[in-house]
Amino acid sequence: EVQLVESGGGLVQPGGSLRLSCAASGFNVRSNYMTWVRQAPRKGLEWVSIMYSDGQTYYADSVKGRFTIFRDNSKNTVYLQMKSLGGEDSAIYYCARPLGDVARDGMDIWGQGTTVTVSS
Amino acid sequence: EIVMTQTPLSLSATPGQPASISCKSSQSLVYRDGKTYLYWYVQKAGQSPQLLIYEVSKRFSGVPDRFSGSGSGTDFTLKISRVEADDVGVYYCMQSMQLPWTFGQGTKVEVK
Repeated sequence: EVQLVESGGGLVQPGGSLRLSCAASGFNVRSNYMTWVRQAPRKGLEWVSIMYSDGQTYYADSVKGRFTIFRDNSKNTVYLQMKSLGGEDSAIYYCARPLGDVARDGMDIWGQGTTVTVSS
Repeated sequence: EIVMTQTPLSLSATPGQPASISCKSSQSLVYRDGKTYLYWYVQKAGQSPQLLIYEVSKRFSGVPDRFSGSGSGTDFTLKISRVEADDVGVYYCMQSMQLPWTFGQGTKVEVK
């Protein structure tokens, strides 16, 4: 069964850092891409970052320079390292995997999400 | 950045009656491979988004045939032929033709 389980969320002070994890089972995180999407409280969905099978990474302008996506193939896990966090980063963070093997394929399976709250 | 605009932002549907949501993109979602990278998701209360429709009109596995997608270029529509109580949720369109991938604002569907 294909499954994604996020963890690592929590309460962090403004300016702080946090690392989110997305553990995958039933498929290989190196295939095609893995992506992160977030949802601020009572708001819509916002694409955050993507890592392709060849290692290329891209970020939303809102997080560029502060967030880093990477993976550990041995653990079949993707991570999102976040630093210089602000209130605008408070959100549920979802990881998701691609529907197919084309770079532009959208996502089919999403994790349950992990909540990040940035507050003093 | 491609802007995705959904209308309406909320709708109150009658059980057994049809309902539709429009999604317009600020530029064509047709890539040079001929595919149109337009997706529809639904997010039910307290849950993660679930894929309904991919590449404009293809139903994802397990999605009831009451749901259909149509459109081309920059104009797309999600239709529910006969609304059921379980269809309550927020529906999002998303484009993956060009980074950054972008979502519509979401359409909140309530069932009377």
